[in-house]
Parts: sequence; structure tokens; C-alpha cells
Amino acid sequence: DVKVTQSSRYLVKRTGEKVFLECVQDMDHENMFWYRQDPGLGLRLIYFSYDVKMKEKGDIPEGYSVSREKKERFSLILESASTNQTSMYLCASSLQGAGRDEQYFGPGTRLTVT
Amino acid sequence: SQQGEEDPQALSIQEGENATMNCSYKTSINNLQWYRQNSGRGLVHLILIRSNEREKHSGRLRVTLDTSKKSSSLLITASRAADTASYFCAMMAVAAGNKLTFGGGTRVLVKP
Repeated sequence: DVKVTQSSRYLVKRTGEKVFLECVQDMDHENMFWYRQDPGLGLRLIYFSYDVKMKEKGDIPEGYSVSREKKERFSLILESASTNQTSMYLCASSLQGAGRDEQYFGPGTRLTVT
Repeated sequence: SQQGEEDPQALSIQEGENATMNCSYKTSINNLQWYRQNSGRGLVHLILIRSNEREKHSGRLRVTLDTSKKSSSLLITASRAADTASYFCAMMAVAAGNKLTFGGGTRVLVKP
């Protein structure tokens, strides 16, 4: 069965801290994505990766960076957390091509920055 | 900016009734997908319809796509309390690679 896991369900950090959100998928998917979800704004793409060590900016990359050293793991990094980064963060993965474009999501990490 | 807009934003129905929600988008797409999100959880893929398809069924779900109007609808028939969730449409635009753009979602409440 397809599985995407995220390192934490809930996280509380202080302003200025460096924050790491980890995502792991066990499906051998090439593509991985990080979204944030805010009330009234839906899901917005932060970064995505289509291969190991490859990354592309999404719609709202400012204040974030990512790392993909292994195919199964995609990390989102908040270099210096700010209160406006309080949000639900969702990781997803999908196959490359093969006509199957659906994304598989992790359970989400609710991050609060105080 | 969101490419997709969903209507209505919220929907309340009785168990056994049908629920219909609509999605409109702006640019040409390769496919359109619908996802469900239970409260505070991740999204679950429901159904994918390609740009050359007009209608697709999966169990109690029926999705239509009208590319001339740039719109799609999701119908849930004979709704159950377990269908209470938020539903999102997501568009894979032409030349967008594997990226999806999500609509704002429709919150559906099915009352027992």
C-alpha cells in the first residue's frame, strides 16, 4: 500500500529557529512536493523535486529551502522561522510520467511559530 | 494565485441526498483531479479525468469535465455521514510538468 509519512504531526517552534520538516515515501516515486495549506487560500506549492538532488521553486518559495539527497526523502527547511509560516504543511509524491499523475499525500505537519 | 475556484464553498445535506460541487479553471489542462480531505488530515486522491474525457465514475462518485467552459463537477450520490470532508479540485495545466494547482475547496457536511 502506498505510504507517505511526515516526521511530526504537530510542531511548535520559536521565531528565528531553523526548522526541518521531513517527508518519506516508500513507493519509489520520482516526484515529491511540499505544500502549505492555510484557511481561505487552499494548498499552495512551495517546492517540488523530480529527481534526487533536483528541485524547483513552486508558487511561494520565499523563506524556505529543500533538500533531496535520497529518492525516498524530501526535506523542507525553514531557515529562520517566522510567525507568518505558521501553517499546515503537506508533503506529497507521484510517479513520473506513466500516465499516472495522482499525488499521494502524507498526514500533514501543523507548525506553530511563536 | 489559484487557478481553480470551487463552488459552493460549503454544503450541508442530509444523509442519502446527493452532493454536487463545481470547479472552474482558467488555462488549458492535461487533466483535472479531485481529492478529499478529512478534518486535519492529508488529502486522498478520488478520481482523475483527462482533458479528452467528458465523464468518469468511481463507485458513488461521478465527475464531469467541460473543457469548452473550463469547468468540472463532482457528484456524490447517496451521501453518507462518512462523506463529511473538504473536497478539492486540482488542475494539471499543459506545460506545467507534474505540478498541480488546487482550488480553494468545498466543505461538505452530511448530517445523519
